[in-house]
Amino acid sequence: EAGVAQSPRYKIIEKRQSVAFWCNPISGHATLYWYQQILGQGPKLLIQFQNNGVVDDSQLPKDRFSAERLKGVDSTLKIQPAKLEDSAVYLCASSLGIGWGAGAYNNEQFFGPGTRLTVL
Amino acid sequence: AQSVTQPDIHITVSEGASLELRCNYSYGATPYLFWYVQSPGQGLQLLLKYFSGDTLVQGIKGFEAEFKRSQSSFNLRKPSVHWSDAAEYFCAVGASFNKFYFGSGTKLNVKP
Repeated sequence: EAGVAQSPRYKIIEKRQSVAFWCNPISGHATLYWYQQILGQGPKLLIQFQNNGVVDDSQLPKDRFSAERLKGVDSTLKIQPAKLEDSAVYLCASSLGIGWGAGAYNNEQFFGPGTRLTVL
Repeated sequence: AQSVTQPDIHITVSEGASLELRCNYSYGATPYLFWYVQSPGQGLQLLLKYFSGDTLVQGIKGFEAEFKRSQSSFNLRKPSVHWSDAAEYFCAVGASFNKFYFGSGTKLNVKP
């Protein structure tokens, strides 16, 4: 089965410009996640969707970041305007469902290759 | 609050030697624990996971991990390291609604 797809793989922009990332999750996966991974750190969850609804966006800097998953499949993450500290790898992941418990083994997160953003 | 600590930023081992990567977690409820590996330019790949039951968990690529509740640890081990194991390894704890908290990672170098 095809994995999680992300594009572009690399992006270089000037500060104050805008940028958008795209993610196509594994077919049939209801839950989609966007993570930010700054160099030298582990991934940090930015936003989590269940179908086309937001489950958690508590760590999304909403003054500059936005994300949508309009039809419950593909998702886009946008930064406007970008700051130097936004330089990071942006990872998208998907899982079949949500929540732990007896069916938790089906809720493993599968990660895409990421988009490396450099803000100059 | 949930957190994951990986105390070793870099580790270098010789090919064929044994490996142990440390992970300590802080979580108020029953932890769901994971180890992921990330090769340069790649996404994260799941090595193994612990949900319940046997505290010694077997994963892919010959890795295993042991959950020790009394020590709040979930250390990753491999008896004989291969050059292809050079990568960055992340420990994570799963909280409610599939929310993950990742450690800061350990970079593994393998000497020939």
